[in-house]
Amino acid sequence: EDKVVQSPLSLVVHEGDTVTLNCSYEVTNFRSLLWYKQEKKAPTFLFMLTSSGIEKKSGRLSSILDKKELFSILNITATQTGDSAIYLCAVDGGYQKVTFGTGTKLQVIP
Amino acid sequence: DVKVTQSSRYLVKRTGEKVFLECVQDMDHENMFWYRQDPGLGLRLIYFSYDVKMKEKGDIPEGYSVSREKKERFSLILESASTNQTSMYLCASTTPGRALGANVLTFGAGSRLTVL
Repeated sequence: EDKVVQSPLSLVVHEGDTVTLNCSYEVTNFRSLLWYKQEKKAPTFLFMLTSSGIEKKSGRLSSILDKKELFSILNITATQTGDSAIYLCAVDGGYQKVTFGTGTKLQVIP
Repeated sequence: DVKVTQSSRYLVKRTGEKVFLECVQDMDHENMFWYRQDPGLGLRLIYFSYDVKMKEKGDIPEGYSVSREKKERFSLILESASTNQTSMYLCASTTPGRALGANVLTFGAGSRLTVL
């Protein structure tokens, strides 16, 4: 059975802190790893990672994949209150088979 | 700019009631999905559809059925709601195909269902 595990389940940080969110996976087929951000509305797509060691970056957010060790991290630098959300990691196993982790709930306090 | 619309954000129903959750997308996507989201369990796939009138069971289909009469609309039906179906329900859609990115889902805002 495919499995995606995220850690920590939740964390609280102060504005300006840097956070690292973790995602490990065990899947039969791997096509890509996806990160989403979910505020009090629809999850929105952040990154798709397919190759090891290549960092994807968008503003203060960045992510990298290690296909040998089967994990990915999502970094957020200089956090702001608007970064407060649930961050979802998912693995695309092909043929509509997308397995999600439990999510990490991030709260950024002023 | 709304692309996937779920008709009800919040619903409260009683045990045994029939519940319809509606989802409409305006992106002409072939594939549509229903997930439920529970704390500590993440998103779990209930059903998906890859074409009109076609459906496939996901990981937790028990107690649910779906309907896809038109390409843009995918409905989730709880024939007889139970308290353990209290949850957030998320609809999503995507284009088919083998290309990377085909499984990047576009989600609706969610429907929070409480069954009393």
